[in-house]
Amino acid sequence: AQKVTQAQTEISVVEKEDVTLDCVYETRDTTYYLFWYKQPPSGELVFLIRRNSFDEQNEISGRYSWNFQKSTSSFNFTITASQVVDSAVYFCALIRTYNNNDMRFGAGTRLTVKP
Amino acid sequence: DTEVTQTPKHLVMGMTNKKSLKCEQHMGHRAMYWYKQKAKKPPELMFVYSYEKLSINESVPSRFSPECPNSSLLNLHLHALQPEDSALYLCASSQGAGLQETQYFGPGTRLLVL
Repeated sequence: AQKVTQAQTEISVVEKEDVTLDCVYETRDTTYYLFWYKQPPSGELVFLIRRNSFDEQNEISGRYSWNFQKSTSSFNFTITASQVVDSAVYFCALIRTYNNNDMRFGAGTRLTVKP
Repeated sequence: DTEVTQTPKHLVMGMTNKKSLKCEQHMGHRAMYWYKQKAKKPPELMFVYSYEKLSINESVPSRFSPECPNSSLLNLHLHALQPEDSALYLCASSQGAGLQETQYFGPGTRLLVL
């Protein structure tokens, strides 16, 4: 079974705090892709990162960083020195390459950054 | 131009109406997608057009009918909808085929069915 779990429904932090959003996935496939998307109040989904299952390198992009660990089936996302503009719902998603129409989103984590 | 546009932004329709949602991209992408997103839920994939060939999520009811007139335009025709179809409808496109490709999303159409 394919499944993505974002256990944190809502997180609230004060500006400049660091925050980590958790994503745990389940799949029997050996080849798959993981994504993170941001959905601000305006509604559109904004692509943040894509990882394939063979690339376990962590990635840093400005204040954003991602920690991919196949051993624990996790793909966590950290925002350093959070800002009010980071307030949004963040979705983690799993895509199978075996069945190209199978895309599973997690339930999302609503992040609120207070000034 | 790295934008996916969707019209209208908001739509209110009755259960007997016929309406259409429009999605357009001018990035030369060859795949386009429709998603439905209920409030406080993740998006659900409805349809995929890849190189102008349709793939359907078989759980989508027939009152939703996609149409791809050309590679840059994707419509979603709505007929005899139910109140539970009220949702945000998101369109996306990707350069290559397959959901593993990076998708670029439009702002969505907020649909209310009365």
